[in-house]
Amino acid sequence: GENVEQHPSTLSVQEGDSAVIKCTYSDSASNYFPWYKQELGKRPQLIIDIRSNVGEKKDQRIAVTLNKTAKHFSLHITETQPEDSAVYFCAAIPSGGNEKLTFGTGTRLTIIP
Amino acid sequence: DAGITQSPRHKVTETGTPVTLRCHQTENHRYMYWYRQDPGHGLRLIHYSYGVKDTDKGEVSDGYSVSRSKTEDFLLTLESATSSQTSVYFCAISLDTAGYTFGSGTRLTVV
Repeated sequence: GENVEQHPSTLSVQEGDSAVIKCTYSDSASNYFPWYKQELGKRPQLIIDIRSNVGEKKDQRIAVTLNKTAKHFSLHITETQPEDSAVYFCAAIPSGGNEKLTFGTGTRLTIIP
Repeated sequence: DAGITQSPRHKVTETGTPVTLRCHQTENHRYMYWYRQDPGHGLRLIHYSYGVKDTDKGEVSDGYSVSRSKTEDFLLTLESATSSQTSVYFCAISLDTAGYTFGSGTRLTVV
């Protein structure tokens, strides 16, 4: 089955700086890569996603890049703000159908004021 | 609230007792999932459903069973709860590969 590795497990950045979280996947047939943000005590929520026919996608301060050859994708947050502090999860859908996501183990991002 | 609700939100139970968690959706989505979340492990798939009475195992299915008799309800049962099943359980729904919508979670403590 699919295996998704996520790094780093914790990340602290100064407010206003950029943060980058990286994930690798094992199944070259995976074709959908979402990112979820989970605030303390809350449910994970989708913040951005990318499909395998696209190399980069942006939404305001958030961007995701995908390198299919290397089988890795990254989340970039620019001009970080205190409300960006949360746990972020990457995920991938493997081949085989029935749409089940495999998640990375999460990155706890802390924005230092 | 996002068309998906979980019940109960919190539960404390004793080792060896059966426990059922409920996930209810109003979105008429085909796919439903149960995940558990534990520190250091992220979200791990327990069971999922791709239609009424159609279910399959995920990566951590031992000790759990599920049922889906109606499109809107997906039940997760711990037949005989153990301390290793203390966790936060999330239900999720999806229409297709547009991403999951998660429920608010159930915090289960087995003592």
